[in-house]
Amino acid sequence: EGQLVESGGGLVSPGGSRRLSCTASGINFSNYNVNWVRQAPGKGLEWVSSINSRSSYIFYADSVKGRFTISRDNARNSLYLQMNSLRAEDTAVYYCATQNWGPGTFDIWGQGTMVTVSS
Amino acid sequence: SSELTQDPAVSVALGQTVRITCQGDSLRGYYASWYQQKPGQAPVLVLYGENNRPSGIPDRFSGSSSANTASLTITGAQAEDEGDYYCGSGDSNNNHVIFGGGTKLAVL
Repeated sequence: EGQLVESGGGLVSPGGSRRLSCTASGINFSNYNVNWVRQAPGKGLEWVSSINSRSSYIFYADSVKGRFTISRDNARNSLYLQMNSLRAEDTAVYYCATQNWGPGTFDIWGQGTMVTVSS
Repeated sequence: SSELTQDPAVSVALGQTVRITCQGDSLRGYYASWYQQKPGQAPVLVLYGENNRPSGIPDRFSGSSSANTASLTITGAQAEDEGDYYCGSGDSNNNHVIFGGGTKLAVL
């Protein structure tokens, strides 16, 4: 059974940077489109970014465009999210998730990694 | 950008049937997917497409859609069905993904 494990969360100062990683196992990672989804404390789900299997199609939510960069390394079964110019409103649990059907259908989720932006 | 609208909270008596709805213009072009989330846990996909359940999801969960509204129905709700339910779909205006605000389900 497929599994995703996120890492890299922690406390970051406003304006700082952080790189999140997501490592897949039990699936042929290179066949999947993958996404980052976040959830602020006590709030709902917010899609952040998506990347297709060959990294040829990349999309970002308006709230992070120009500050966040998604990338992947299929040889390492890994997904990344480089977050720059972090703001307090970026504080959230960040999940990676595979997309195995149409847009918005995420069948495998990681356990999430918490990013707190605070001075 | 598009939006998906859900009722904030719904309750159902144990063993009864409950419907959770999701409304938005994007649903005229995309199917909704539905996620269950329990406190401190990652979301779990429970329905996708026209009415498809991933492996391991009980058949008491079913879905339907009409025009700009998608529905998740739980027939014979169980105590373990309590949690937050989110709908998600593609955004008809771009290649983004949108989620509804979530519905908190209480099983009484």
